[in-house]
Amino acid sequence: AQTVTQSQPEMSVQEAETVTLSCTYDTSESDYYLFWYKQPPSRQMILVIRQEAYKQQNATENRFSVNFQKAAKSFSLKISDSQLGDAAMYFCAYRSAGWVEYGNKLVFGAGTILRVKS
Amino acid sequence: EPEVTQTPSHQVTQMGQEVILRCVPISNHLYFYWYRQILGQKVEFLVSFYNNEISEKSEIFDDQFSVERPDGSNFTLKIRSTKLEDSAMYFCASKVGTSDSYEQYFGPGTRLTVT
Repeated sequence: AQTVTQSQPEMSVQEAETVTLSCTYDTSESDYYLFWYKQPPSRQMILVIRQEAYKQQNATENRFSVNFQKAAKSFSLKISDSQLGDAAMYFCAYRSAGWVEYGNKLVFGAGTILRVKS
Repeated sequence: EPEVTQTPSHQVTQMGQEVILRCVPISNHLYFYWYRQILGQKVEFLVSFYNNEISEKSEIFDDQFSVERPDGSNFTLKIRSTKLEDSAMYFCASKVGTSDSYEQYFGPGTRLTVT
């Protein structure tokens, strides 16, 4: 079974600064997807960014980028120019590739609370 | 933009009662999921549903739980006899197509409180 580990329960960043959230995962599969979800106080799950394991290029989405190290099974999220609205719980998640009959369920890490200081 | 909706936003029930949580997935989506998040803990997969049957379920999804797509638009999660430990946020998600590259879109969640 796949597992996702987020070792930082809480992080703080000054507004306009850069912060990196860590995530490691364990899998024996070679093809999969990795995601970062944001959960603000409203508790809505919002997709921030995703990475396909077969792609060597790191995904970027505006101020959000990832550092995907497949061999090390590491998938960190970098938030540049942090804004007050970035304050939330961030979850790293894993999903197997393959037919939907296998469920394609998301496996989540425990989350990292990000606090943004003004 | 189409979105997944869930009702109610908050449900309070007494232990032992049955509850039904409702979800309306995005209209052209074919795959549906329920996840659960106990307060302060990680989000956990409960069940996936495709073509009117369960495609995968977790060990959490025991005989007390059932899912149904009763009318082609709603997707429901029923808990037959609620326990205190069922108190959690329940998220519905849906996905459009067969490709594993498609995203799961989450609803806003239903907070279930069992007293």
